Amino acid sequence: GESVGLHLPTLSVQEGDNSIINCAYSNSASDYFIWYKQESGKGPQFIIDIRSNMDKRQGQRVTVLLNKTVKHLSLQIAATQPGDSAVYFCAEIETGGSYIPTFGRGTSLIVHP
Amino acid sequence: DAGVIQSPRHEVTEMGQEVTLRCKPISGHNSLFWYRQTMMRGLELLIYFNNNVPIDDSGMPEDRFSAKMPNASFSTLKIQPSEPRDSAVYFCASSPPSPLRGYTFGSGTRLTVV
Repeated sequence: GESVGLHLPTLSVQEGDNSIINCAYSNSASDYFIWYKQESGKGPQFIIDIRSNMDKRQGQRVTVLLNKTVKHLSLQIAATQPGDSAVYFCAEIETGGSYIPTFGRGTSLIVHP
Repeated sequence: DAGVIQSPRHEVTEMGQEVTLRCKPISGHNSLFWYRQTMMRGLELLIYFNNNVPIDDSGMPEDRFSAKMPNASFSTLKIQPSEPRDSAVYFCASSPPSPLRGYTFGSGTRLTVV
């Protein structure tokens, strides 16, 4: 699910499967990370966040994993549903800096019923 | 809470015309951001304001783009003259003084310049 070139990566899954969306971030000083979900015709919406002092955080059906060594973030969605179909963005923030999120290119998740 | 409100939702205009996009941030949020989203470039930060003051406009692509925030509850992004390459979805976002988790996007304005 990492961004390659100018094309939006796409992940297609069957309803009920687990989905894993990956994100590589660039700033080693980033210490706060957010996953956003953007449905068609809407703005990005907050899903889950994680601070750099954690390597895993769980929400409702979603889990975020952080590997600071390789600057990698993943979003796991359990029992994926058609309503999960959207573009997912990761964002990194350096809280000691500007607090402005830097967004990844996004991954399109398509859930087939 | 009505969230961040943007208008219009869709705008179709002819090349050379002036376009004004509007944003009402969430009450109590003191930072406001304008983004442009395209398939080619993803989400690009154009400019952001803190307490109504422009802090960083380095993302504004050209002098044809300008943004104002006359008060805490209203901001505009203006393109004059518009060009076909300005076609994109423009998002406004706002955040509170403690911005973690509070960063909220509007529904965007889809601009088409023909």
